[in-house]
Amino acid sequence: GEDVEQSLFLSVREGDSSVINCTYTDSSSTYLYWYKQEPGAGLQLLTYIFSNMDMKQDQRLTVLLNKKDKHLSLRIADTQTGDSAIYFCAETLYSSASKIIFGSGTRLSIRP
Amino acid sequence: GAVVSQHPSWVICKSGTSVKIECRSLDFQATTMFWYRQFPKQSLMLMATSNEGSKATYEQGVEKDKFLINHASLTLSTLTVTSAHPEDSSFYICSARVNRTANYGYTFGSGTRLTVV
Repeated sequence: GEDVEQSLFLSVREGDSSVINCTYTDSSSTYLYWYKQEPGAGLQLLTYIFSNMDMKQDQRLTVLLNKKDKHLSLRIADTQTGDSAIYFCAETLYSSASKIIFGSGTRLSIRP
Repeated sequence: GAVVSQHPSWVICKSGTSVKIECRSLDFQATTMFWYRQFPKQSLMLMATSNEGSKATYEQGVEKDKFLINHASLTLSTLTVTSAHPEDSSFYICSARVNRTANYGYTFGSGTRLTVV
């Protein structure tokens, strides 16, 4: 079936790197995404990776995809207070390109 | 970039009344829009897929007579919560697929917080 899982919470010290992990079950994923949601707001697309890629880097963000283990991670370098938010992992499937499936979201909190 | 405008951002209504939420694509045409519901500290649950000029496709367990979706133009989809009850209080988010992008990208509205009293 279609399932995307994430840990619910992550706390990191300001300036450290944050690594948010995600696992998915459907091997027919086409694109995998990371979205950021700040309190009371909609979702902001941070980055995405096509399923035939292993890694993508965009400034402070690094996405790693292990397709064999169906594991996706988002690394945020030099984490800042403005990075506090909920981060959602999501996927679209080859069988249903219109449907996007979200994980439960990881709440990232930054401590001084 | 592609922008989806959602209105209102918050609304309070009395039980038994209906509430309409609008979602507009501002600089692109959206043949397909999606409506999500998000409970506090939970993920987004897809409610329905709205297709311009045709009936919406509802996910299992979502009452189509309760949540009316209209997608009469390529830039506007509306969700009407009919005869609202306190359990309908939630955060509703729309999104649209920006077909011109290569990544099946989805753009999200800013959300509507509905409180039914």
